[in-house]
Amino acid sequence: KAGVTQTPRYLIKTRGQQVTLSCSPISGHRSVSWYQQTPGQGLQFLFEYFSETQRNKGNFPGRFSGRQFSNSRSEMNVSTLELGDSALYLCASSLGTSFGDTQYFGPGTRLTVL
Amino acid sequence: GQQLNQSPQSMFIQEGEDVSMNCTSSSIFNTWLWYKQDPGEGPVLLIALYKAGELTSNGRLTAQFGITRKDSFLNISASIPSDVGIYFCAGQRPEYGNKLVFGAGTILRVKS
Repeated sequence: KAGVTQTPRYLIKTRGQQVTLSCSPISGHRSVSWYQQTPGQGLQFLFEYFSETQRNKGNFPGRFSGRQFSNSRSEMNVSTLELGDSALYLCASSLGTSFGDTQYFGPGTRLTVL
Repeated sequence: GQQLNQSPQSMFIQEGEDVSMNCTSSSIFNTWLWYKQDPGEGPVLLIALYKAGELTSNGRLTAQFGITRKDSFLNISASIPSDVGIYFCAGQRPEYGNKLVFGAGTILRVKS
């Protein structure tokens, strides 16, 4: 079974631009969660999508948004990029049908904002 | 910010030594998980714990879910060079849904 894939793996943007990251979950998984990883704040939960609906949301500004498609693939978008948005963005997929489902992480997208 | 306090922050040990790291919280968690992250990769699940007092092994790794549900520890026995990486604890609570709350990580370096 193929694992979680994320594209692109690396991205360089400048302040003020916007960016879209993509995540393809493991086949059969309907939940996709997004996390931001930085040296200062560690791993922080952004949001979770299940069956095309946002099911849970972390404490990030509205510049961070996401969506999920009918095939469970998910995208996250960051608008008006700031230097502090430089981070590794990870997505995790799970069945999503019960509490405690194992979450499998992708390799991440490394975003650098200049 | 982080809700889980993970220690130590880093460790530098001899190959063959046993390693212990732990995670504490002021809040109760219903699930405790331990992940390992290698450079350039996403975290990989090592052990999941679902019941207070549970002790679970995965090869040379052993983890326990504290009986107060506010802590967990991970032991690695007879460390080898490929154990290097960052180890994260994570917790889940039903009211958080699928959200994982992570510790800050323990960086493990092994001297061969």
